Amino acid sequence: DAKTTQPTSMDCAEGRAANLPCNHSTISGNEYVYWYRQIHSQGPQYIIHGLKNNETNEMASLIITEDRKSSTLILPHATLRDTAVYYCIDTFTGRRALTFGSGTRLQVQP
Amino acid sequence: EPEVTQTPSHQVTQMGQEVILRCVPISNHLYFYWYRQILGQKVEFLVSFYNNEISEKSEIFDDQFSVERPDGSNFTLKIRSTKLEDSAMYFCASSDPGLAGDEQFFGPGTRLTVL
Repeated sequence: DAKTTQPTSMDCAEGRAANLPCNHSTISGNEYVYWYRQIHSQGPQYIIHGLKNNETNEMASLIITEDRKSSTLILPHATLRDTAVYYCIDTFTGRRALTFGSGTRLQVQP
Repeated sequence: EPEVTQTPSHQVTQMGQEVILRCVPISNHLYFYWYRQILGQKVEFLVSFYNNEISEKSEIFDDQFSVERPDGSNFTLKIRSTKLEDSAMYFCASSDPGLAGDEQFFGPGTRLTVL
């Protein structure tokens, strides 16, 4: 089973920032936090990952707390196309299998 | 932008029949994966493949499943004798361990329906 916990669902207004929290209180020192999303029935899509520093790419920002027990994915200006299920996954470097939980269903409202 | 492709998009088969699901990973990737998602349920890892052998597999990946890289471009998942409960979306993925972080690129999936 997934070792992370996320809210079941969230709503966000179009154009506003979407902040998706994830709890990974049992994460160990060499485990990364990965975020993927799945739009409808498509294949999961990689968003971002991090170890302990905050990260930003063209899709999102990842804020990891100093104790690494939780993180927040930020979509700075959500669009309707960002409506999806977002998965927070922690995994060891070198272990390839991704363990998906139930994720957070984000609904971006017009 | 390079992408993972899968064929067919939808496969219908009779229980007990063998099926082969095909994937073309991104060309310079070295790790290949199969996942499945039963309708309404979580995405589940099946198997990973590297250097022409299985590197990791889940409990789901029992003797009725096998994977193969028959040539330099295709990666296949064979289900020997399909069961009703094998009906699911099957996703292929690939990754390049040289990238900073092992992001996996997923294909669009094959919907398998077992009747």
